[in-house]
Amino acid sequence: QVQLVQSGAEVKKPGASVKLSCKASGYTFTTYAMHWVRQAPGQRLEWMGWINADNGDSKYSQKFQGRVTITTDTSASTAYMELSSLRFEDTAVYYCARAGTVTAGTVTTSPFGYWGQGTLVTVSS
Amino acid sequence: QPVLTQPPSSSASPGESARLTCTLPSDINVATYNIYWYQQKPGSPPRYLLYYYSDSDQGQGSGVPSRFSGSKDASANTGILLISGLQSEDEADYYCMIWPSNVVFGGGTKLTVL
Repeated sequence: QVQLVQSGAEVKKPGASVKLSCKASGYTFTTYAMHWVRQAPGQRLEWMGWINADNGDSKYSQKFQGRVTITTDTSASTAYMELSSLRFEDTAVYYCARAGTVTAGTVTTSPFGYWGQGTLVTVSS
Repeated sequence: QPVLTQPPSSSASPGESARLTCTLPSDINVATYNIYWYQQKPGSPPRYLLYYYSDSDQGQGSGVPSRFSGSKDASANTGILLISGLQSEDEADYYCMIWPSNVVFGGGTKLTVL
């Protein structure tokens, strides 16, 4: 069965960076895109960006452009999301989610059918 | 970044139906996009419910009961999630989503089953 297992909770100081991981299993990693979505306490879901796990092409929300980097290690079936210059308002649960089928390098939209369990990132001085 | 507007809250009694809406901005035609719906309960990641494009192009998430269904109101540029035969377990937050070039989530509706 498809599983996305995320790394553990992090506590960071303002200005620091955090790098989260998302290990996939139960499917061929390179046949889907991987997205990162965050949710601040009591707030809405907020899409951050995604990566084509086949060719490594990535796309980011304008809100996070310049601060977020999504990468993959295909040999480990793992996606990573690094967020830099952390602010208090970056305190949130960060989810990875599988969506978008990859065929011949092209991503076709598909539902966010599988989600990781979430990683809480707390930014505190 | 477009904004999808969802009412912050809705309520209905067990056995009744709930109609949750997701209004797209005027410059994005609802007829053009799949509308995806997700359910989220406290402390859990979202769960994919269904997508709706048209009556002939729609899909249900794995294990999602048929009492969850989607539709569109083109005149209101709105996507709709209909939950019939409400059960207490349906109490949750519901998010709509579209995926034009970038992914956009709505603000979510908290459904209370009275």
